[in-house]
Amino acid sequence: EVQLVESGGGLVQPGGSLRLSCTTSGFTFKNSWMSWLRQAPGQGLEWVANINADGSDKSVMDSVEGRFTISRDNTKDSLYLQMISLRAEDTAVYYCARDVKGGIFDNWGQGTMVTVSS
Amino acid sequence: DIQMTQSPSTLSASVGDRVTITCRASQSISDRLAWYQQKPGKAPKLLIQRASSLESGVPSRFSGGGSGTEFTLTISSLQPDDFATYYCQQYNTYKMFGQGTKVEIK
Repeated sequence: EVQLVESGGGLVQPGGSLRLSCTTSGFTFKNSWMSWLRQAPGQGLEWVANINADGSDKSVMDSVEGRFTISRDNTKDSLYLQMISLRAEDTAVYYCARDVKGGIFDNWGQGTMVTVSS
Repeated sequence: DIQMTQSPSTLSASVGDRVTITCRASQSISDRLAWYQQKPGKAPKLLIQRASSLESGVPSRFSGGGSGTEFTLTISSLQPDDFATYYCQQYNTYKMFGQGTKVEIK
């Protein structure tokens, strides 16, 4: 069974930092592209970042460029999202997902809530 | 960026109804469209990829169609478990979601 479990969310002040983690099992992580997506309260879904299987190719959405960094550790079957200079508009549930066939998200974690507020 | 527009935003229906949700892309995306179902407090679930290819385990009452700029998700006979929010997503360039369609009980 494929499982993805996010952690690391919480309440942070504007300008602060957080590091999200996603631990996975049930599939060959080292061969898989992975993505982070988010959903602001009461809003729709938004792709945030993705990374290729060996970590050599990364992309992030324009509004988080320079503030968010995606990374992975294939020895730990884990995905990460380092977030700095957080803003109120970054408040959302953050999901990790397996990214297949060039942008289809076929398995998702349960999400971790990030709240940016003073 | 390619914009995705779903209609309607909310759909009120009864068990057994046939319902159709439309998703329009601002430019052609061929068949590079997926549909997801999301229930409150839960992660989205992939239903359909490549516009019409049903994921394993998804009931056959769900079907997808279209290509280019106009797409549909149809539920042939709405079941109690189907009341949820549905999102389309293009993956032709970048990865953009529609704003969602909430299917609620009439």
